[in-house]
Amino acid sequence: QTVVTQEPSLTVSPGGTVTLTCASSTGAVTSSYMPNWFQQKPGQAPRTLIYRTSNKHSWTPARFSGSLLGGKAALTLSGVQPEDEAEYHCLLYYGGAWVFGGGTKLTVL
Amino acid sequence: QVQLVQSGAEVKKPGASVRVSCKASGYTFTTYYMHWVRQAPGQGLEWMGMINPTDGNTNYAQKFQGRVTMTRDTSTSTVYMDLSSLRSEDTAVYYCGREKAGGTFDYRGQGTLVTVSS
Repeated sequence: QTVVTQEPSLTVSPGGTVTLTCASSTGAVTSSYMPNWFQQKPGQAPRTLIYRTSNKHSWTPARFSGSLLGGKAALTLSGVQPEDEAEYHCLLYYGGAWVFGGGTKLTVL
Repeated sequence: QVQLVQSGAEVKKPGASVRVSCKASGYTFTTYYMHWVRQAPGQGLEWMGMINPTDGNTNYAQKFQGRVTMTRDTSTSTVYMDLSSLRSEDTAVYYCGREKAGGTFDYRGQGTLVTVSS
């Protein structure tokens, strides 16, 4: 069974930079896994921030960026704002099926 | 504007089935895949499967094979997710979300709470 692993929780100071990662039990994550990143705030539906590794939607704040880093998919927040406190979920493609990571709870403190 | 509007909350008994609908508007229905994702209380997101509205082809997560059926009605731009043999662990919010083929996820529905309780 394929497992996608994210950091359970991270804490960052306002204005700081933080990188969330997304690893696959099958090996290095490449662009063929088409990583997507979702942000979810309490009581809200998740919204997509990043698609296909590094592409942003029109609603994605410029401070969010996606990449591949050390064999993982990565989401970097630069100049973190208090409103970025949320759960972040990554999603990877496995040839016909998709698998979510367990999510990272980001605290801005 | 793109909208995915889901059906309302459901309460079901164990062993029953549930149907959740997702009505699309604001775009050409057959140009995007539709996925179903669920989130149990306090848990992460779980991908259930997807349907290609063009031809009705489906892919289901192995965990739900045999219990889930996804269908579509192109005349009303609606996709349906049927889940059978419900158990308490199926209590969750169910979301539909669209994908442009090639891994571009964008819009999603508002979510539908399904509660399974005796």
